[in-house]
Amino acid sequence: AQSVTQLGSHVSVSEGALVLLRCNYSSSVPPYLFWYVQYPNQGLQLLLKYTSAATLVKGINGFEAEFKKSETSFHLTKPSAHMSDAAEYFCAVSDSGGYQKVTFGIGTKLQVIP
Amino acid sequence: EPEVTQTPSHQVTQMGQEVILRCVPISNHLYFYWYRQILGQKVEFLVSFYNNEISEKSEIFDDQFSVERPDGSNFTLKIRSTKLEDSAMYFCASGSDVSYEQYFGPGTRLTVT
Repeated sequence: AQSVTQLGSHVSVSEGALVLLRCNYSSSVPPYLFWYVQYPNQGLQLLLKYTSAATLVKGINGFEAEFKKSETSFHLTKPSAHMSDAAEYFCAVSDSGGYQKVTFGIGTKLQVIP
Repeated sequence: EPEVTQTPSHQVTQMGQEVILRCVPISNHLYFYWYRQILGQKVEFLVSFYNNEISEKSEIFDDQFSVERPDGSNFTLKIRSTKLEDSAMYFCASGSDVSYEQYFGPGTRLTVT
């Protein structure tokens, strides 16, 4: 069974500061990993995905994540937070090699302080 | 840019009533999914659908739930007899055979009273 653990249900950063949202995964097979963002009252938007190519993945809005197999981690980072980054972020995992279900983490709400 | 659409955006129903949530996936996609998110909780997988049949379903997807692709464009989720605990945001998603990602719709908020 696959799972993801997101450390910190709420994270606050100052505008311009580094954003680091942590995600660790558990999977018995090589995983595909995703980060989704959900703005208030909106659906889920894909930020970036890892599908066994480059371990450093760049996504939209200046976000990136690094797949570290030895640490079973897929942390999301952004060098400089913007007010518009305030949202809920979900790490997710699926089996590779097919169109499997996606298993989501509990989510991390990011607050950006001016 | 193509997107997944869902209707209605908000549905209020009484306990015991049947509801049908509708989704229009992206037109060339072949894989379809329903997920739900109970308020304050994580997004949970309900069911996946491919080639006109269910390919996987979760424990949540019991006999009260069904899915259908009645024509070439719509994908529906039916709940036969709603319970209070069915109140949630329901997301439809679709995927192609080109990229390993699922595109999510904006969701339907179901409130069972």
